[in-house]
Formats: sequence, C-alpha cells, structure tokens
Amino acid sequence: GDSVTQMEGPVTLSEEAFLTINCTYTATGYPSLFWYVQYPGEGLQLLLKATKADDKGSNKGFEATYRKETTSFHLEKGSVQVSDSAVYFCAERDSGAGSYQLTFGKGTKLSVIP
Amino acid sequence: DGGITQSPKYLFRKEGQNVTLSCEQNLNHDAMYWYRQDPGQGLRLIYYSQIVNDFQKGDIAEGYSVSREKKESFPLTVTSAQKNPTAFYLCASSTRGRETQYFGPGTRLLVL
Repeated sequence: GDSVTQMEGPVTLSEEAFLTINCTYTATGYPSLFWYVQYPGEGLQLLLKATKADDKGSNKGFEATYRKETTSFHLEKGSVQVSDSAVYFCAERDSGAGSYQLTFGKGTKLSVIP
Repeated sequence: DGGITQSPKYLFRKEGQNVTLSCEQNLNHDAMYWYRQDPGQGLRLIYYSQIVNDFQKGDIAEGYSVSREKKESFPLTVTSAQKNPTAFYLCASSTRGRETQYFGPGTRLLVL
C-alpha cells in the first residue's frame, strides 16, 4: 500500500531559524498532498495542501511544493516562532477512483526555543 | 460557529466494557471518518462513511463499530474485543469523499 515518510524528530530550533521538514510519498499517479499541524492535546488542523504537480501550498508563512519528479512535499518556513511548536504531519490521498483514505506520515515534533 | 465536536475529551474504560465516543458536525459534510492515533505514530483509519446509513471499514476496524443514522453524527463504539484501546481518537469530516478532511479536537481513551 501507499506510504508517507517524513523526517524523524524531534526537531529543536531557535526562534527565527529556517525550518525544513522532509516528506516523501510512494503513491503513483497524482495524489493530493497535505500538511496538518497538531498542537498539544488538540486535533489536527489543515496547514496547507497541493493537488497537482508543481503546485505550491502556503499558509501562515509555511510553504510546500508538490515535486512529482522526486515524489516529495517538503515543508518550509523562513523564520519560525515559539508559537510554531507542534507536531507536523504529512499526508497523501491517492488519486485513484473511490480512494478516500488519507495516508499519514508518523509526524515530526518541532520545538522552537526563544 | 461551524465545526466538529467530540465528546467526552477524556474517557475511561473498564475491562470488558463497551464505550461510545461521540462525533457531531454542523458543516453539512457528507463524509465522516474515525482515526486512531498512538504515540509516535501517524493516524490510522478505523471506519469511514460517505453517506447516511452506509459505512466502510478502514485499516484497523477490528474491535470497533460505528453507525451513521444522521448526516451530522458518526459515533464510534470501542467494544470489549478491542484489546488495546488506549489511544487518542480523532473524528474528521469532508464535503465529499475526495475533498479535504477537517478534524475534531479528539477524545483520549484510557483503560482502568
């Protein structure tokens, strides 16, 4: 079955540092790709998404570009803040007919220190 | 405000007991989902429903049951057959099965 691999955490950064969280997927075709964020004790919030190759999703200073050639969807932010401390999940949804299931990576915990 | 509510926030289960987790949405979404989250793991799909009175098993349906009698409600029952129920349970919904899924705040289930 499909799988999503993201860099293992935890990741600890100083405030204003540059963030990259790597994510690769195995689905063939053109899956939709997502980044979700989970704050402590809460559910997941959609951070950004991309539905076709070369699309760039962006939100709250975070960006990710759908790279079909490398089957990747890396999350980046130029200057992180303490409030960005959370767990980040990469997910994909296969483009096949009748495909409803999201496949998630294991999550990457980010801690930003002042 | 539109959204997804889950209750209770914490739930305790005794040995051999069935417990039911509530999920309600007022987003007028057709599709609803239940996921299980274990520490250090991604989310795994338990059940999903595309329309009222219809639902399908996900990857880890054993020991769980669901119903979908109303569009806005999708309760999950953790039965005594689920031998390792301690986890964080997340409900999600979407406009149609292939659209973006939005998540509720979750219910943490603990075994006494």
